[in-house]
Amino acid sequence: KAGVTQTPRYLIKTRGQQVTLSCSPISGHRSVSWYQQTPGQGLQFLFEYFSETQRNKGNFPGRFSGRQFSNSRSEMNVSTLELGDSALYLCASSLDSLNTEAFFGQGTRLTVV
Amino acid sequence: GQQLNQSPQSMFIQEGEDVSMNCTSSSIFNTWLWYKQDPGEGPVLLIALYKAGELTSNGRLTAQFGITRKDSFLNISASIPSDVGIYFCAGPRRVRGAQKLVFGQGTRLTINP
Repeated sequence: KAGVTQTPRYLIKTRGQQVTLSCSPISGHRSVSWYQQTPGQGLQFLFEYFSETQRNKGNFPGRFSGRQFSNSRSEMNVSTLELGDSALYLCASSLDSLNTEAFFGQGTRLTVV
Repeated sequence: GQQLNQSPQSMFIQEGEDVSMNCTSSSIFNTWLWYKQDPGEGPVLLIALYKAGELTSNGRLTAQFGITRKDSFLNISASIPSDVGIYFCAGPRRVRGAQKLVFGQGTRLTINP
């Protein structure tokens, strides 16, 4: 059974640009959550999608958005990039919204210059 | 956002030594999760605990769900070089009918050969 797949693994963008990250969950998992990981703030929850609907959102500005497709794949978008958006972005999949065990992908390392 | 208090923040040990780390919260959790993260990779789920007082093992790893439901402990016996990494505790928080994970700050384990 394939694990959680995130693409791309690495990205370098300049300030002001936008970026789209992709996540394919484990087959059969319908819940996808996104986290931002930085040395200073640790792992911070961005949002969670289940059945193409955003169920939960963390304390991030509106520049951070996401969506989920009918096949449960999810994308997150960051617009008007800032230097502080440089981080490891992690996607986690679960069977459903209330299933506790979350399995993470390898992450996308975003560097904003 | 809300985080769990994890200690110690870092550990420097000799190969073969046992390791203990813990995670505490001011509020009750019904589930405790322990993850390990290698550099440049996503966190990998090690152990999930669902019941107060529960003691669960996974090879050389043993984790316990505190009786008060406000803490959890992870022990690693006879450490080996591949145990190096960052260990995170996590617990689910239900918000508006959906769950998100809150994480501890992590314990960075370094092993001297």
